[in-house]
Parts: sequence; C-alpha cells; structure tokens
Amino acid sequence: AQSVTQLDSQVPVFEEAPVELRCNYSSSVSVYLFWYVQYPNQGLQLLLKYLSGSTLVESINGFEAEFNKSQTSFHLRKPSVHISDTAEYFCAVSEPQDTGFQKLVFGTGTRLLVSP
Amino acid sequence: GAVVSQHPSRVICKSGTSVKIECRSLDFQATTMFWYRQFPKKSLMLMATSNEGSKATYEQGVEKDKFLINHASLTLSTLTVTSAHPEDSSFYICSARPPGQGIWAQHFGDGTRLSIL
Repeated sequence: AQSVTQLDSQVPVFEEAPVELRCNYSSSVSVYLFWYVQYPNQGLQLLLKYLSGSTLVESINGFEAEFNKSQTSFHLRKPSVHISDTAEYFCAVSEPQDTGFQKLVFGTGTRLLVSP
Repeated sequence: GAVVSQHPSRVICKSGTSVKIECRSLDFQATTMFWYRQFPKKSLMLMATSNEGSKATYEQGVEKDKFLINHASLTLSTLTVTSAHPEDSSFYICSARPPGQGIWAQHFGDGTRLSIL
C-alpha cells in the first residue's frame, strides 16, 4: 500500500524568500502525484499534478514540483513566496488499482507561514 | 465560488446523539463523492466512497453502521454519525468528482468540525 510522508509540519519563511516543501512517497508501482493547497477556512484545491511525461510540473502561481523516481520524492518549490501563499499544503498520491486510479492518499500536511 | 457546499461547518452535540452532515455538488452532477476524516496533525483519511444510487464503499477499519452514507441524488451525499461519542470528534471533509474526470479533479467542501461533548 502506498503512503506519503511530509516531514515538515510547519515551514516559516520570510516574504520573497525561496521555499521547498518536502514530500516522499512509498509505492511499488507507478503512481500519480499531487499537491493540494488549503487556505484558511477553505477546502482543498489542486495546485499541481504529475501523471506522466516531464518530471517537472508547474502551477499558475509560481510553484513547481519535480518527480524524482529514484528518490521517491515530489518536493514542492517556489523561488519567491508571497504573504498570500500562507496555507496548508498537502502532498497526495494515487496508485493504479483494478478499477483505475480511484483513491487519493494524503500526507499529513505542511503549514507554510510567510511573514513580512 | 465554491462548487461543493458542506453543511454545517461546525456542530457541537451531546454524546449519544446522531449528527448528519450534508455535501452538495453545486455546479455538476456527481456520481461519486468522497468522505474524509482529518485528525489534528494527521493526514486526511478516506473513509468511504459514495456512489449515487448504490451502497457506499467503505475503507478498511471504518464502521459502516457508525458512519452511514446516503447518496440519494446526483448532487447530494450525506454522512450520519450515529450515536456519536467524544472519540468521533474530528474534522470531516467531503469532495465530489465531476463525471469522466480523474481522481485528482475532486472538488472539496470546506469541512465540518464535529465536537462531541
């Protein structure tokens, strides 16, 4: 069974600084990988996804994540964060099953705190 | 605006009572909805997959008689926590997946914080 590890429960960073949120997964088969963001008092929103092809995927608001199969990682990065990026970030994985990719398994989340 | 509405956002009730949480898909007909539970400092745990017109598929370890799921229409799924006890206190989140789209395309509700006294 697959699992997702987000080692950092909280990452404080100053505005305009770079940030990396770590995500490692365990799976014996090919997987789909995702990052979701949860802003305060809102539901989760898909930030970016890796399905196949290029190992580097980008979001519309400057985040990127790179799939590294050998290290079973999918770390999320942004070169310069804004106050508005303050949120909870969840890494998730989906593994093929008999009925297709039918389930998401989430990590414990990382709270990104951006301060002025 | 929100495409999945979850209600109530917060509920406090006495031990032994039953609590119903509603999840509505506002912009599309959802044949599949999902119910998650989130413990403090823990990940979202999938409880069950709700299928319109059929029985829900529960994950291992989730009590079917404790957490009743009804998906009576293409826009509404309900989760009823029966005879709730303090250990059932948690944050419950639903999601709905538009038909024909991948598992990642779920739209999530804002969650319901359930507190059992």
